[in-house]
Amino acid sequence: GQNIDQPTEMTATEGAIVQINCTYQTSGFNGLFWYQQHAGEAPTFLSYNVLDGLEEKGRFSSFLSRSDSYGYLLLQELQMKDSASYFCAVTLYNQGGKLIFGQGTELSVKP
Amino acid sequence: KAGVTQTPRYLIKTRGQQVTLSCSPISGHRSVSWYQQTPGQGLQFLFEYFSETQRNKGNFPGRFSGRQFSNSRSEMNVSTLELGDSALYLCASSESSVANTGELFFGEGSRLTVL
Repeated sequence: GQNIDQPTEMTATEGAIVQINCTYQTSGFNGLFWYQQHAGEAPTFLSYNVLDGLEEKGRFSSFLSRSDSYGYLLLQELQMKDSASYFCAVTLYNQGGKLIFGQGTELSVKP
Repeated sequence: KAGVTQTPRYLIKTRGQQVTLSCSPISGHRSVSWYQQTPGQGLQFLFEYFSETQRNKGNFPGRFSGRQFSNSRSEMNVSTLELGDSALYLCASSESSVANTGELFFGEGSRLTVL
């Protein structure tokens, strides 16, 4: 079966850095996605890693290690508006139109 | 460019009834997929349509069905509703396969409550 693990909750302070880890056990892994969802809103795309390494996008960076079946989302210079749920998700080689989501990490940013 | 539009936004049904949800993708997007979001199960893939053909299907019972029209608009139907079908149903669109484009655009969802 397919399994994706990420922490349920995290708390961090405004201005700090937080890393949300994601491990996956899937067959036919293709790529790792990160989505952000504020309460009552639609999920929005943050990043997509297919190759090993770090992808940087402003305050947000995402990392993938295919050999370790592991990735993370790094949020820097945290702002209050970053309080949201963060989901990692994977796609598989033979099911390119389907995302398998983790349970999500609820991040609370405190002043 | 308008985003993904889902209707209705909220609806209440009773057990045994059926429901149809509608999704209009972003103009030019040919792939439409549906997800069910619940507090206990998270986001779960229902199905994906591309050019009016179902391309992928999740592990949901046959009571859940969908279709896509020639203008890429999509509908999903749930028959014989059960209490456990209460959820937020999210539609998402992309230009082709999400694995190719790397980005999926979600609508705000249809929140279904089954009493």
